[in-house]
Amino acid sequence: QITLKESGPTMVKPTQTLTLTCTFSGFSLSTHGVGVGWIRQSPGKALEWLALIYWDDDKRYSPSLKTRLTITQDTSEKKVVLTMTNMDPVDTATYYCAHRRIGESDAFDFWGPGTVVIVSS
Amino acid sequence: EVVLTQSPDFQSVTPKEKVTITCRASQSIGAGLHWYQQKPHQSPKLLIKYASQSFSGVPSRFSGSGSGTDFTLTINGLEAEDGATYFCYQSSTLPWTFGQGTKLEIK
Repeated sequence: QITLKESGPTMVKPTQTLTLTCTFSGFSLSTHGVGVGWIRQSPGKALEWLALIYWDDDKRYSPSLKTRLTITQDTSEKKVVLTMTNMDPVDTATYYCAHRRIGESDAFDFWGPGTVVIVSS
Repeated sequence: EVVLTQSPDFQSVTPKEKVTITCRASQSIGAGLHWYQQKPHQSPKLLIKYASQSFSGVPSRFSGSGSGTDFTLTINGLEAEDGATYFCYQSSTLPWTFGQGTKLEIK
């Protein structure tokens, strides 16, 4: 059974760096084709894909946020970490991590419950 | 970037009705289109993958069709529990993108 859960600060100040952790179980990030991604959703708005890391440590980023994002994995700890620099109030959103497997669905098929991040001074 | 445009944005429907939601891509994405259901205060749940394949455990009243630029999600025999927002998502071309969502209200 695949599960994921996001954790991190609920509130950050403008210009600060946000660090979010995705802790997962039920799969291995060492398995060929597997990836873990981050998606966010601003209040009342659509979903926005941010970043993804693959089993082979290959990484993909949204071009609009690439300069601010870093995604890393700790395979032994079954965690994926996303950092986002220079936070702004427009980054206020619910942040989700999700599982993806190339060739099986190519969609994010299992999601965490999400963590709310508010950017405010 | 591939822009996905859903229609309608909102629909009020009665149980047992047949509902159709469309998603149009700004360029051809083959079958790399997927559908999600999101209820308030919950994370999205995958319904349909690769345009027409049902994801495991999804009720058979949900179906998808289309390829290229035009896609459809159909709910046959709407149930009260289907009140939610539905999103399409494309995995064909980076950056991966989502539609703006279609909110279904059950009368």
